[in-house]
Amino acid sequence: GAVVSQHPSWVICKSGTSVKIECRSLDFQATTMFWYRQFPKQSLMLMATSNEGSKATYEQGVEKDKFLINHASLTLSTLTVTSAHPEDSSFYICSARGLTSGSTTDTQYFGPGTRLTVL
Amino acid sequence: EDQVTQSPEALRLQEGESSSLNCSYTVSGLRGLFWYRQDPGKGPEFLFTLYSAGEEKEKERLKATLTKKESFLHITAPKPEDSATYLCAVQGAGSEKLVFGKGTKLTVNP
Repeated sequence: GAVVSQHPSWVICKSGTSVKIECRSLDFQATTMFWYRQFPKQSLMLMATSNEGSKATYEQGVEKDKFLINHASLTLSTLTVTSAHPEDSSFYICSARGLTSGSTTDTQYFGPGTRLTVL
Repeated sequence: EDQVTQSPEALRLQEGESSSLNCSYTVSGLRGLFWYRQDPGKGPEFLFTLYSAGEEKEKERLKATLTKKESFLHITAPKPEDSATYLCAVQGAGSEKLVFGKGTKLTVNP
């Protein structure tokens, strides 16, 4: 149980284009989903928190118009990087939090990540 | 502000050589302390949640302990497949967010 998937696992795009990343909780309902960014050899940096049906809450310094988050259902959240530029190249990871089968805790389970390269 | 400091940054062990990783934290009301394992190019894999001082949890060769100021991840007789970066994170009371440390990169040589 507690499986989170991300698609695509990697993407290469040209500067100025937009890229959408999907995050799905496969076997549980996620009350909250989170989007992180990770630079090489560094820890995870939280970008935003989203709850189903409501607007995402962005961390300080994260441009909400550039990183669009939609939490369409209790099992799906998407991150769209708009007008991507080379400095947006990074490893993007989502996590989902919710009660899973056999668990009484509210733990964040992470997806496998998406490697974005902007040329 | 909640903070997490992990030490050492990197640790090399020989197969079978037991050791411990440290996670020191400051948080306004601990809601939970989490340990994750992350392999290169992958997302973090959940290991343990600890809630209160004195609590311990075990999984195979790993054992996590918690005090009011720090947590330890003990690795007993490690194998090369235990090589990974181990991340510690805390969640404060009234917060949905996890605050991560920078991780400890563990390498176990055969």
